[in-house]
Amino acid sequence: QVQLQESGPGLVKPSGTLSLTCAVSGGSISSSNWWSWVRQPPGKGLEWIGEIYHSGSTNYNPSLKSRVTISVDKSKNQFSLKLSSVTAADTAVYYCARAITMIVVVITTGPWFDPWGQGTLVTVSS
Amino acid sequence: AIRMTQSPSSFSASTGDRVTITCRASQGISSYLAWYQQKPGKAPKLLIYAASTLQSGVPSRFSGSGSGTDFTLTISCLQSEDFATYYCQQYYSYPHLTFGGGTKVEIK
Repeated sequence: QVQLQESGPGLVKPSGTLSLTCAVSGGSISSSNWWSWVRQPPGKGLEWIGEIYHSGSTNYNPSLKSRVTISVDKSKNQFSLKLSSVTAADTAVYYCARAITMIVVVITTGPWFDPWGQGTLVTVSS
Repeated sequence: AIRMTQSPSSFSASTGDRVTITCRASQGISSYLAWYQQKPGKAPKLLIYAASTLQSGVPSRFSGSGSGTDFTLTISCLQSEDFATYYCQQYYSYPHLTFGGGTKVEIK
C-alpha cells in the first residue's frame, strides 16, 4: 500500500525558508490523486497548507499562499514543500498526505486525506 | 473560509461507554465531511468520509452522521485504543479545506 515519508531540516532560522520532501512508496505519484501538506503546531489543531497534482497544478491555503511553493519530482516519486519568510509561528509538525477524491455520479467530491506520513517537527529558532 | 467548531473540546469517558462528538460548520457543507483519529505522537488516521462512509479497516463501532451544518461521530462501545483526539474536516469549499479544533477523549 502507499506509504509517505517526510524528510528535511528540523531547525530553520527566522526569516529563512523551510524545505521538506515527501517520498511516496508503494504507488506512483502520477496516479489520479493530489498530494498534500498539512501542519500541526505543538498542542494545536491541523492546518491544510496546499496540494499538488502530478501535472504540476497546485492549490494553496489562501492564508499561506504568498509564502508557499509545492513542487513535484515524478522521476523520484516525491513532492516538496517550501515555506519562505518563516517565523516562530511556523513551528509545527509537518505532514504529507495523499488527497483522495471520488466521483459521485458526475460530481467530484473530496479531498480527504489517507494515508499520512509520520510527520516531521520543524522548529523555527535562531 | 468555512469555520468548523467541535464540541466538546475534551471529555472523560469509560471503556464501554457510547460517546458522541459534534462538529458544526459555519455554513452548509452538504455531506462533505471527514473524521480523523489522532493518537499522541502519531499522524491522523482517516475514519470516515462523506459524513457517514466508514473507511476500509475501521471498526464498525465508529459511525458518522449529519448533513448541512451539524455532524456527529459516534463510538458505540468505547475501547481502550479509542482514547485519542478526533478531528473533523470539511471539503465543501475545496480548495479551501479546513479542520475542526479537535475533541480529546480521555480516560475517566
